[in-house]
Amino acid sequence: KNEVEQSPQNLTAQEGEFITINCSYSVGISALHWLQQHPGGGIVSLFMLSSGKKKHGRLIATINIQEKHSSLHITASHPRDSAVYICAVRSAETSGSRLTFGEGTQLTVNP
Amino acid sequence: NAGVTQTPKFQVLKTGQSMTLQCAQDMNHNSMYWYRQDPGMGLRLIYYSASEGTTDKGEVPNGYNVSRLNKREFSLRLESAAPSQTSVYFCASTVTLGSPLHFGNGTRLTVT
Repeated sequence: KNEVEQSPQNLTAQEGEFITINCSYSVGISALHWLQQHPGGGIVSLFMLSSGKKKHGRLIATINIQEKHSSLHITASHPRDSAVYICAVRSAETSGSRLTFGEGTQLTVNP
Repeated sequence: NAGVTQTPKFQVLKTGQSMTLQCAQDMNHNSMYWYRQDPGMGLRLIYYSASEGTTDKGEVPNGYNVSRLNKREFSLRLESAAPSQTSVYFCASTVTLGSPLHFGNGTRLTVT
């Protein structure tokens, strides 16, 4: 079993829908990252969080440390949100260098 | 503001050839990383440099070497390329270990 599991693997939505992508992990962590990989391949860091909730524009990330679970929500989705969303965790027991990445969730938003 | 710049964007090598992937950042970041991304797997850390003058192995260092040339530049060398090294390679940098990552646009390498 991978240390970081994302669901779903693939998600197709209609423009305007509310999107949720889930990330579960099996180790104690000091931080969790959400990343976005564009269709052209570039990767952008969206959030880094260790507790609670963060919001940036239409994106919201939440984390429940006790349940070892995080969600990324997209409100009022748009075709430009189509991308691969990647969750990554930094174990509480290793140095800050080591992130464990999920395989990603491919999101397609149709107009 | 270029951020993290990787060169080349694409490369095809024959088995046994060598090459160096270049990475430079202009954000005055202390830490730099090399990752590889393969289908069906998450990004995996090859090597990292916590600060200028230091380098350390990551999860998958075999077949690679790195050089932290100065604070800006961190190169990845394949001395004798193998088909198993066909992958997309990403360089990244952070202010310090553990802070948010800034990625380059990637190098798609094919070894035949």
